[in-house]
Amino acid sequence: GIQVEQSPPDLILQEGANSTLRCNFSDSVNNLQWFHQNPWGQLINLFYIPSGTKQNGRLSATTVATERYSLLYISSSQTTDSGVYFCAVGLGGSYIPTFGRGTSLIVHP
Amino acid sequence: EAGVAQSPRYKIIEKRQSVAFWCNPISGHATLYWYQQILGQGPKLLIQFQNNGVVDDSQLPKDRFSAERLKGVDSTLKIQPAKLEDSAVYLCASSLGYRRVMNTEAFFGQGTRLTVV
Repeated sequence: GIQVEQSPPDLILQEGANSTLRCNFSDSVNNLQWFHQNPWGQLINLFYIPSGTKQNGRLSATTVATERYSLLYISSSQTTDSGVYFCAVGLGGSYIPTFGRGTSLIVHP
Repeated sequence: EAGVAQSPRYKIIEKRQSVAFWCNPISGHATLYWYQQILGQGPKLLIQFQNNGVVDDSQLPKDRFSAERLKGVDSTLKIQPAKLEDSAVYLCASSLGYRRVMNTEAFFGQGTRLTVV
């Protein structure tokens, strides 16, 4: 099956800092999502981005499918950005999201 | 639009007991997934349904886990008998899932946190 690796595994920032999270995957995919899991365990959809670049406020994401990686950018981080960020990928019309182990982010005030 | 609904939110049972979780997907979503998330790990697929048919259950421990989606809408996941290592969060997700739609987005419920003691 598809292997998904996320880096870094842990990240600690001061409020206001910028960060880049990376997701590498082992095979071609045509589905890719970024999620934020909040402290209550809810998986919040951030981006559906099988290719290209998208932006939503302070967050943006870029996927280069041909090189098998995706990047999530967080600018001017806030304490509410704390949590675990997951990348999930899949191939085909019957999309089965395969998750990485996540990046745990802590933002200090 | 209502999201994916799951119940209960929390459950504590003793080992060897049975437990059931319920999921109601987003209206119109043909595909439904059950995931298991152990603390510190990413979610792992247990089973995927397309309407009321099973697409993938290769990682479902069938000696103790079962799932059904009889009318192609709601789904239940059952564990019988439970083991200590089943302690995890069980997540339900849904997507449009039609094969003609190549790119679909999955949406997750809040999960059920199961503790087996």
